[in-house]
Amino acid sequence: DIQMTQSPSSLSASVGDRVTITCRASQRIWMFLNWYQQKPGKAPKLLVYAASSLESGVPSRFSGSGSGTDFTLTISSLQPEDFATYYCQQTYTTFLYTFGQGTKLEIK
Amino acid sequence: EVQLVQSGAEVKKPGESLRISCKGSGYSFTNYYIAWVRQMPGKGLEWMGLIHPGDSDIRYSPPFEGQVTISADKSISTAYLQCSSLKASDTGIYYCARLQTMRGYYAMDVWGQGTTVTVSS
Repeated sequence: DIQMTQSPSSLSASVGDRVTITCRASQRIWMFLNWYQQKPGKAPKLLVYAASSLESGVPSRFSGSGSGTDFTLTISSLQPEDFATYYCQQTYTTFLYTFGQGTKLEIK
Repeated sequence: EVQLVQSGAEVKKPGESLRISCKGSGYSFTNYYIAWVRQMPGKGLEWMGLIHPGDSDIRYSPPFEGQVTISADKSISTAYLQCSSLKASDTGIYYCARLQTMRGYYAMDVWGQGTTVTVSS
């Protein structure tokens, strides 16, 4: 099984900060990597697919990069509504799509 | 509007069984995989498995194989997740989501609202 490891597990930041979350795969997954945002009590929401493609309607302050085993999600200027938990997900292994453990982004 | 609507919260006793439904609307239900994801209290997302309602292709994640049953009734655009012999450790929120192909890559673009399951004696 492919293991996905996110870092950090939690992060404190202020409105306006630039934030980067990292996701590492236990083996090469090319660009088969998605990012989701989950707010308390809500279902996850797709932000980025194929490592760097922004889902329709997602603000441009979000961006994804990487390929192979190392990926990042960057928020260029944090907004109050961005405080949430973020998950990466690999879709390389056919229909056995595992998630990272999540990164909780909190207000400093 | 494309949406997935799940059945309501459930409270069960250990040993009982459960079926959660996920009804799709606003799109061709038989053309997309529906995946199931579990979130235990305060924890992350776990991939359980998926089904293609059009041809009934079903895949399970190894930890859930034999523990749950995924099915679908395409005539009413509804997917199901069935769990038998429930344990307290089955407590959590269960989500269904549509698997979309985007530029040749799969992603879960539409999610149900989640079904909270509580297993307690």
